[in-house]
Amino acid sequence: LAKTTQPISMDSYEGQEVNITCSHNNIATNDYITWYQQFPSQGPRFIIQGYKTKVTNEVASLFIPADRKSSTLSLPRVSLSDTAVYYCLVGRITGANNLFFGTGTRLTVIP
Amino acid sequence: GAGVSQSPSNKVTEKGKDVELRCDPISGHTALYWYRQSLGQGLEFLIYFQGNSAPDKSGLPSDRFSAERTGGSVSTLTIQRTQQEDSAVYLCASSLGTGESPYYGYTFGSGTRLTVV
Repeated sequence: LAKTTQPISMDSYEGQEVNITCSHNNIATNDYITWYQQFPSQGPRFIIQGYKTKVTNEVASLFIPADRKSSTLSLPRVSLSDTAVYYCLVGRITGANNLFFGTGTRLTVIP
Repeated sequence: GAGVSQSPSNKVTEKGKDVELRCDPISGHTALYWYRQSLGQGLEFLIYFQGNSAPDKSGLPSDRFSAERTGGSVSTLTIQRTQQEDSAVYLCASSLGTGESPYYGYTFGSGTRLTVV
């Protein structure tokens, strides 16, 4: 089971780009990388998922280097509403190999 | 339904009493998961159901915890003889199951906040 390591917390000013890096040195060939966002008093929400290179959607971008031992979630021009905890998961898409969320990265956006 | 529904949203119970927490997953989702989240902490995996297979109970913290999933849909998490350390938010998630495409991962409910006094 691939273990992930993320910074515990980050601060950023509004309007800046935020990059959160997750390390997953033991990632397996058939593992995907998925990021979730959690606001207070809510369940986590799927943000983005990728296998290699770069994935972009309306919310974020995900950069995955060739060795796939890390990934970086990029949030463009953050606003106060992006203050949340961000979790990185590595494993098969869903199911028994992708159950463990870890402690996540608490992002605080400052006015 | 449109999303994962959990009930009740809040539950206060006395120490020693039993509680039942309900999760109604998205229609058609074959996989269902229960997690527990203590204040300011990450998510702790409890149990996983996939279709008609035997559930993965490896995360249940003690034999006071049990869960059922009837008819492959609604799930109930039961905590017997509740203790103060059981106080947490209990989150349920569902997904299409393994190997589906496109890969959208879990959809979580808003959770049940359990307070044991």
